Amino acid sequence: AQSVTQLGSHVSVSEGALVLLRCNYSSSVPPYLFWYVQYPNQGLQLLLKYTSAATLVKGINGFEAEFKKSETSFHLTKPSAHMSDAAEYFCAVSATTGANSKLTFGKGITLSVRP
Amino acid sequence: GAGVSQSPSNKVTEKGKDVELRCDPISGHTALYWYRQSLGQGLEFLIYFQGNSAPDKSGLPSDRFSAERTGGSVSTLTIQRTQQEDSAVYLCASAGGPVSTDTQYFGPGTRLTVL
Repeated sequence: AQSVTQLGSHVSVSEGALVLLRCNYSSSVPPYLFWYVQYPNQGLQLLLKYTSAATLVKGINGFEAEFKKSETSFHLTKPSAHMSDAAEYFCAVSATTGANSKLTFGKGITLSVRP
Repeated sequence: GAGVSQSPSNKVTEKGKDVELRCDPISGHTALYWYRQSLGQGLEFLIYFQGNSAPDKSGLPSDRFSAERTGGSVSTLTIQRTQQEDSAVYLCASAGGPVSTDTQYFGPGTRLTVL
């Protein structure tokens, strides 16, 4: 079984500051890990994914995440926040890759960006 | 090409009524997923279809929920005798295209409100 923990429900940063959104996972098999973003009144959009290749994964909009097996973590970072980054972010895990991979999501974190 | 579409975008119904939610996946995608997003439970997997295989119904919360996928394309999620706790956003995703087979592409969702 897989599970994801996203501590806290809300993170607030100043524009230009570092963004760090934490994600820890639990998996009985090697995990495949994803970060999705949801802008207000929109569907989920994939930011990046880890599927057992490079442990540092770069995604869209300047985001990246590092898979750390020893820490069972997959934290999302961005060096400099923009106002447009304000959204809800979900970390997800699946046990397999390919099309037959149901996702288990964390509770999500709302990111606010202050001017 | 076109993304995943869902209809209706909003549905308000009375307790005890049946509702049908529709999902049009990306053309050519072999896998289709339904998830539910609610305030109390976050994002939960409901059901997934893969080609002609039997669907994985392990996430359906009760026998009032059912889904079908006709012709390997359009899917309908049906909720019978709706209850207030069924109020949520129902998200559909598809995957399995020729590019990024393991990436799930989400639709905008149907917001269901049960009065």
